[in-house]
Amino acid sequence: DQQVKQNSPSLSVQEGRISILNCDYTNSMFDYFLWYKKYPAEGPTFLISISSIKDKNEDGRFTVFLNKSAKHLSLHIVPSQPGDSAVYFCGMNYGGSQGNLIFGKGTKLSVKP
Amino acid sequence: DAGVIQSPRHEVTEMGQEVTLRCKPISGHNSLFWYRQTMMRGLELLIYFNNNVPIDDSGMPEDRFSAKMPNASFSTLKIQPSEPRDSAVYFCASNLSPGPLHFGNGTRLTVT
Repeated sequence: DQQVKQNSPSLSVQEGRISILNCDYTNSMFDYFLWYKKYPAEGPTFLISISSIKDKNEDGRFTVFLNKSAKHLSLHIVPSQPGDSAVYFCGMNYGGSQGNLIFGKGTKLSVKP
Repeated sequence: DAGVIQSPRHEVTEMGQEVTLRCKPISGHNSLFWYRQTMMRGLELLIYFNNNVPIDDSGMPEDRFSAKMPNASFSTLKIQPSEPRDSAVYFCASNLSPGPLHFGNGTRLTVT
């Protein structure tokens, strides 16, 4: 059974608007959460992370929110740009390492000019 | 910074053949990970090494899969014999624990 779920395989947003990508998990032991972005024919690249002691982390246009009680993670991109079009993976783990992550299946974001 | 280097980028082979995928991690990183990406299962961790020692290989699907890390700058993932269901993109990643993973660009394996 999947421990990490990204229920929306795809999302389309207009340039300049907000993109919200969601991720749900089942294991309450997870304590570190990350988002990766992947362009075609490239490997995933790290975007932003959050530990379980926080509920929000912001880096420029990207903000990650963590709702531990709901076991829900989200990524907000404001404003969205065409260059943000990619597949976004949420990944998580426990034990303080950012390494051996369990990933969702990804959400393909398309930002229309 | 050259990043994580994987070779080959593409591999096409026939069922039953041996396949070897190669990875050079970022210099100074102490952990190395092999992931596989498929449509059905997404990105799944196969095995990871810390200081060249295999720590967790519970994700390796079968005995046909093996991985080695003979030194800090090189790792291989071998499939013998290969089967069509092994077709996937295989990613290698490294990090300086506990930092984030840095992925290579992957090897797309097709087994016919």
